[in-house]
Amino acid sequence: DAMVIQNPRYQVTQFGKPVTLSCSQTLNHNVMYWYQQKSSQAPKLLFHYYDKDFNNEADTPDNFQSRRPNTSFCFLDIRSPGLGDAAMYLCATSRVGAGNSYEQYFGPGTRLTVT
Amino acid sequence: QQQVKQSPQSLIVQKGGISIINCAYENTAFDYFPWYQQFPGKGPALLIAIRPDVSEKKEGRFTISFNKSAKQFSLHIMDSQPGDSATYFCAATINSGGYQKVTFGIGTKLQVIP
Repeated sequence: DAMVIQNPRYQVTQFGKPVTLSCSQTLNHNVMYWYQQKSSQAPKLLFHYYDKDFNNEADTPDNFQSRRPNTSFCFLDIRSPGLGDAAMYLCATSRVGAGNSYEQYFGPGTRLTVT
Repeated sequence: QQQVKQSPQSLIVQKGGISIINCAYENTAFDYFPWYQQFPGKGPALLIAIRPDVSEKKEGRFTISFNKSAKQFSLHIMDSQPGDSATYFCAATINSGGYQKVTFGIGTKLQVIP
């Protein structure tokens, strides 16, 4: 089945130690998004890639970076995680083009713990 | 500023009852209104969605009612089942420069009790 895959599902890192979260998709969608979701809150968009074009949300801290080496993969890098960065990180994809699909397809998320 | 207001934040319904979640929005530029269902430890999954030129959409036990003039929309879950227990997010979307910018409501935690 076509899907959005996130690895790892659970990640524990130390305060200040860089961490990378991974997302891959078999949907061949041209847009990939990263969201942060804290407990009992709605997902908050951090940034997205439209093909190779990176688009950062205005309020996303500089501590968060992203890479998209090819259509299928996208990475979230947290350069110096703080305790406040502990959250669920969600990757999503969507397809843009003729006959626009408005749906975003979410992965299962990576639960990040910062100790 | 919360652009999509969702209520209630939590809801307890008896099995077989009707669950109703309400949302309101301000920005008339929104052009697509999806509902997402999220189980604990999982990512949100698209449940049902509606465009603003339609007043109602039904898929199985799930119905969206949409009132464009009032800028309100709601999700009705008929014959609610314990397996429907999850968090539901309403959302509103703008197609912006080739991608969908989604604004989520705060979420409603639904518990369906036997």
